[in-house]
Amino acid sequence: EDKVVQSPLSLVVHEGDTVTLNCSYEVTNFRSLLWYKQEKKAPTFLFMLTSSGIEKKSGRLSSILDKKELSSILNITATQTGDSAIYLCAVEAGGAQKLVFGQGTRLTINP
Amino acid sequence: DTAVSQTPKYLVTQMGNDKSIKCEQNLGHDTMYWYKQDSKKFLKIMFSYNNKELIINETVPNRFSPKSPDKAHLNLHINSLELGDSAVYFCASSQTSNYNSPLHFGNGTRLTVT
Repeated sequence: EDKVVQSPLSLVVHEGDTVTLNCSYEVTNFRSLLWYKQEKKAPTFLFMLTSSGIEKKSGRLSSILDKKELSSILNITATQTGDSAIYLCAVEAGGAQKLVFGQGTRLTINP
Repeated sequence: DTAVSQTPKYLVTQMGNDKSIKCEQNLGHDTMYWYKQDSKKFLKIMFSYNNKELIINETVPNRFSPKSPDKAHLNLHINSLELGDSAVYFCASSQTSNYNSPLHFGNGTRLTVT
């Protein structure tokens, strides 16, 4: 069965800290790995990763995929209270059109 | 300009009732989905439709029936609601002919069955 596991499940840090969120997967026919941020409503798209070792960056957020280790990390530097959210990792697997989600990491940034 | 919109936002109903949730997307995408997010925030796919054709039908009780009148709409009808159906239901869409097209989610419908 396809599986995506995220760690930690919960993380509390102070504003200005740097955090690293982890995602590992066991899926058949891997196509891509995606990161989403979920605040109160809809998950919003952050990154899509398909190639190993190529970092994607958007402002203070960056992410990289390691296909050998079947994992990805999401880094957030100089965290702000607005970064508080649940971060979801998802893998597209077993053919198109199906995302398998991890259970999410709840990140809390304290002022 | 809401890209994926679902109604209602909140739905509180009693066990045994039948209810529907509607979803519309104005992104011109060819594929739409229903996901269920439980109290532990786990998002699981239920159904997907590509150009009105059912593509994915995960292990979901047959009390749940999706209907896609056209490729911009995907509704979810639930019969004989049970307590365990309480969750947030998200509609989403994507353009599957574009490999780099991620899912776009609606804001969710919080269903509470009492």
